[in-house]
Amino acid sequence: GDSVTQMEGPVTLSEEAFLTINCTYTATGYPSLFWYVQYPGEGLQLLLKATKADDKGSNKGFEATYRKETTSFHLEKGSVQVSDSAVYFCALSRLNNAGNMLTFGGGTRLMVKP
Amino acid sequence: KAGVTQTPRYLIKTRGQQVTLSCSPISGHRSVSWYQQTPGQGLQFLFEYFSETQRNKGNFPGRFSGRQFSNSRSEMNVSTLELGDSALYLCASSLARTPVVPDIQYFGAGTRLSVL
Repeated sequence: GDSVTQMEGPVTLSEEAFLTINCTYTATGYPSLFWYVQYPGEGLQLLLKATKADDKGSNKGFEATYRKETTSFHLEKGSVQVSDSAVYFCALSRLNNAGNMLTFGGGTRLMVKP
Repeated sequence: KAGVTQTPRYLIKTRGQQVTLSCSPISGHRSVSWYQQTPGQGLQFLFEYFSETQRNKGNFPGRFSGRQFSNSRSEMNVSTLELGDSALYLCASSLARTPVVPDIQYFGAGTRLSVL
């Protein structure tokens, strides 16, 4: 079945440091890939997405490129802020005739210190 | 435009009871999905409803059920609660265009269920 593997956290960085959170997936066909973010006490918010190979999703300084050859979708940001502290989830959606459902990775907690 | 609304935000129940959670999707969204989030198992898909019909189901026991109404609002029911059902239950809505495309799912803030 489909699966998503993320690097374990927590990841602790100083403000303005470079961020990478690794994500790899296993799926048949051509899944769409997503990064969601969850702030304390809240639901999930879509951060960015990519729907086909070599697509680059970007939002709020975050970027991720859909690499089919390595089945990866690593999240990067050049300079993190304290406000980026949250849990980040990588997810895939593989369509079938019955609709779409998300398969999530385990989540990576990011803590940014001033 | 209002987001996905889940009620109640918090629930405390005891083992053996049953519970019903509610989800109001974004206006115009026709698909509602439910997910369970726990520290041990992470985020797991429960089921998806579209046009009042369940069209996707995850690997959960029959104690977990749901339904969708004609206005796309959805309810989820868990019967005979167990301690392991304690979790954050998240609802997500999407446009559900046809033919099926990878629509973005928009999540509510969740209902935190504690089973004592």
